[in-house]
Amino acid sequence: AQTVTQSQPEMSVQEAETVTLSCTYDTSESDYYLFWYKQPPSRQMILVIRQEAYKQQNATENRFSVNFQKAAKSFSLKISDSQLGDAAMYFCAYRSRVHTGANSKLTFGKGITLSVRP
Amino acid sequence: DGGITQSPKYLFRKEGQNVTLSCEQNLNHDAMYWYRQDPGQGLRLIYYSQIVNDFQKGDIAEGYSVSREKKESFPLTVTSAQKNPTAFYLCASSIAARSSYEQYFGPGTRLTVT
Repeated sequence: AQTVTQSQPEMSVQEAETVTLSCTYDTSESDYYLFWYKQPPSRQMILVIRQEAYKQQNATENRFSVNFQKAAKSFSLKISDSQLGDAAMYFCAYRSRVHTGANSKLTFGKGITLSVRP
Repeated sequence: DGGITQSPKYLFRKEGQNVTLSCEQNLNHDAMYWYRQDPGQGLRLIYYSQIVNDFQKGDIAEGYSVSREKKESFPLTVTSAQKNPTAFYLCASSIAARSSYEQYFGPGTRLTVT
């Protein structure tokens, strides 16, 4: 079974600065997807960024980018130019590329609460 | 606008009562999911459905039941057999169960059982 670990429960960043959120995972599969989801105080889960394991290039979405280290099974999220609206809980998630049955589910880490200081 | 609706946002029940949480989507998605979120925990899968009239247990299905009679609807019943039902429940859907498609989430229902 796959596991996702987010070891830092909380982080804080100064507005306009850069912050990196860590995530590690364990799997015996060679092909899979990794995601970062954001959950603001409204509790609506929002997809931030997605990475396909077979792609070596790190995904980027505007101010959000990832550092995907497949051999180390590490998937960190970097937020540049942090804004007050970035304050939220962030979840790292894993999904198998095999799409049958229970493999279609997302396996989540426990999340990290990010606060942004004005 | 297309999306997923969950109602109600807050739900209160007495211990021993069954309660049904609603989840409706107008995205024409085939696959739907129910997750449970507890403080300090990630989301855990309760049930999922890849197609109408078919559903499968997730990691923590005990004490829950679902139905999938219509493509757009996937209600979750929390039964009295669920030992610790107070939690935040999230419904999600995706175009298909294929892993290349992201899951879209509803706004969630906070269930409190006393």
